[in-house]
Amino acid sequence: DTEVTQTPKHLVMGMTNKKSLKCEQHMGHRAMYWYKQKAKKPPELMFVYSYEKLSINESVPSRFSPECPNSSLLNLHLHALQPEDSALYLCASSQRGGPGNQPQHFGDGTRLSIL
Amino acid sequence: GESVGLHLPTLSVQEGDNSIINCAYSNSASDYFIWYKQESGKGPQFIIDIRSNMDKRQGQRVTVLLNKTVKHLSLQIAATQPGDSAVYFCAENTPGNQFYFGTGTSLTVIP
Repeated sequence: DTEVTQTPKHLVMGMTNKKSLKCEQHMGHRAMYWYKQKAKKPPELMFVYSYEKLSINESVPSRFSPECPNSSLLNLHLHALQPEDSALYLCASSQRGGPGNQPQHFGDGTRLSIL
Repeated sequence: GESVGLHLPTLSVQEGDNSIINCAYSNSASDYFIWYKQESGKGPQFIIDIRSNMDKRQGQRVTVLLNKTVKHLSLQIAATQPGDSAVYFCAENTPGNQFYFGTGTSLTVIP
């Protein structure tokens, strides 16, 4: 069982919908990450939060909006997504402010399908 | 982004044999590397890491070798088991604090 919990496991939404992905960790980690992974491809970094502040945004479209309410929680708000946004969205955490030469611990992801 | 690639996209090995998965990286200044295992329907799972001031690190049944001269990383799995079947990714951390995954190698263990 992973120590990084993501909900929901699956999400189907229309292009006009608004939804949120949630991620939680209780390891006391101070960095949290969002990745996007297409089928048979490696994960691609989207956002990094270090000490609850957004430290890296890899030029992600504004229809993806991250939020870090506290050190244990990370949300990804979705609005007006496109079919090409269908993918597995992975959350990860690491002990210190990231990425910085430390392993990241991943959740099992949310499988997102855009109709 | 940076180029972190693998030489072979697929690898099949007999159960009990040793496996070697290779990875090439392009940033000679990268200072930290990780190997992850990703099973179907799961997130990547940390296997082993190595810093650039080392050339070898061993874990349980796994060994990572780093050759900075040719910018090459390898993962050796001893006595490969069916449970080792998965996609394996290398990842690198650059001095600019960028973090990149390689393209992945799919390992299939034949019973």
